[in-house]
Amino acid sequence: AQRVTQPEKLLSVFKGAPVELKCNYSYSGSPELFWYVQYSRQRLQLLLRHISRESIKGFTADLNKGETSFHLKKPFAQEEDSAMYYCALSYGGYQKVTFGTGTKLQVIP
Amino acid sequence: KAGVTQTPRYLIKTRGQQVTLSCSPISGHRSVSWYQQTPGQGLQFLFEYFSETQRNKGNFPGRFSGRQFSNSRSEMNVSTLELGDSALYLCASSAEQGSRHEQYFGPGTRLTVT
Repeated sequence: AQRVTQPEKLLSVFKGAPVELKCNYSYSGSPELFWYVQYSRQRLQLLLRHISRESIKGFTADLNKGETSFHLKKPFAQEEDSAMYYCALSYGGYQKVTFGTGTKLQVIP
Repeated sequence: KAGVTQTPRYLIKTRGQQVTLSCSPISGHRSVSWYQQTPGQGLQFLFEYFSETQRNKGNFPGRFSGRQFSNSRSEMNVSTLELGDSALYLCASSAEQGSRHEQYFGPGTRLTVT
């Protein structure tokens, strides 16, 4: 069965410091990987997906099939980045998404 | 476009009762998915509907059911409520069927079972 692991429940970094939110997955096929974000008192929303290979709000994520990882990175953290981040996986052309348990990012001013 | 709406936003029920939650997707979206969010288990997939057909189902007991109407609005029903069903239930809609398409989430319905 597919699984998404986010090892850190809480990640605290200082403003301006680099950020890396870890995500590992287990799935034998070719998954679709996503990062979703939930800011305080807002809805869960898509941040980025691996097929787009884009940078959103300074965040990037590279799919490493060898290490089955999809870590989210940003070179310089901003206070407004403080939020809950979820890594997610879907596969097989279906909208059945498996979410990780989430990492709370706290950017300290 | 208006976002995904869910009603009611908050609900308190007693064990053994049943409950129906409603979700209105973004206009034009035909795929609706439901998730259960709890502090212990995180976000767990319940089921997905596309054009009134259930396409996918998660690992939840048969007490959890759903349906989708011709206007893409969806309802989720939980029968014989248990304390463990207390959770935030999220609905998400997508324009197309398929794993590559972005899901837009609603604000959720907070269900408390006493």
